[in-house]
Amino acid sequence: KAGVTQTPRYLIKTRGQQVTLSCSPISGHRSVSWYQQTPGQGLQFLFEYFSETQRNKGNFPGRFSGRQFSNSRSEMNVSTLELGDSALYLCASSWETGGYEQYFGPGTRLTVT
Amino acid sequence: AQSVTQLGSHVSVSEGALVLLRCNYSSSVPPYLFWYVQYPNQGLQLLLKYTTGATLVKGINGFEAEFKKSETSFHLTKPSAHMSDAAEYFCAVRSSSGGSYIPTFGRGTSLIVHP
Repeated sequence: KAGVTQTPRYLIKTRGQQVTLSCSPISGHRSVSWYQQTPGQGLQFLFEYFSETQRNKGNFPGRFSGRQFSNSRSEMNVSTLELGDSALYLCASSWETGGYEQYFGPGTRLTVT
Repeated sequence: AQSVTQLGSHVSVSEGALVLLRCNYSSSVPPYLFWYVQYPNQGLQLLLKYTTGATLVKGINGFEAEFKKSETSFHLTKPSAHMSDAAEYFCAVRSSSGGSYIPTFGRGTSLIVHP
């Protein structure tokens, strides 16, 4: 069974631009979560989607948004990029939310200059 | 609100020695607890999880963890360290709050294994 895939793996953007990251979950998984990982703040939860609906949301500004499609693939968008948005963005999929284990993708490394 | 504290940002052991990575959590409701490992330039991989039932949980690669409710701890152990265990380890808690399951991760512990 193929794992979680994320595209692109690396991205360089300029302040003020917007970016869209993509995540394809493991086949059959209906829940997709997004995380931001930085050396300063560690691993922080952005949001979780289940069956195209946002189930849970972390404490991030509205510039961060996401969506999930009917095939469970998910995208996250960051508008008006700031230098502080430079991070590794991880996507994780699971069968359901709650206590179900999550399977992580390799991440997208975003650098904002 | 829930939180996770991992004691020690770096733990150094000799190959063959006991590995002990500490994790304490706070949660107002029974939590789901997880340990993940992250190798350089990779995503996180689940080592083990506790949901309900037996408090001693066995995971992959010889790791295990014990849920101690009275101590609000979920420490990760491995009897004998191997060079390949060198990585970053994250403890995570997930509990229900008004129907939401917001996961919280610890800051991570870097395990260094000396030959």
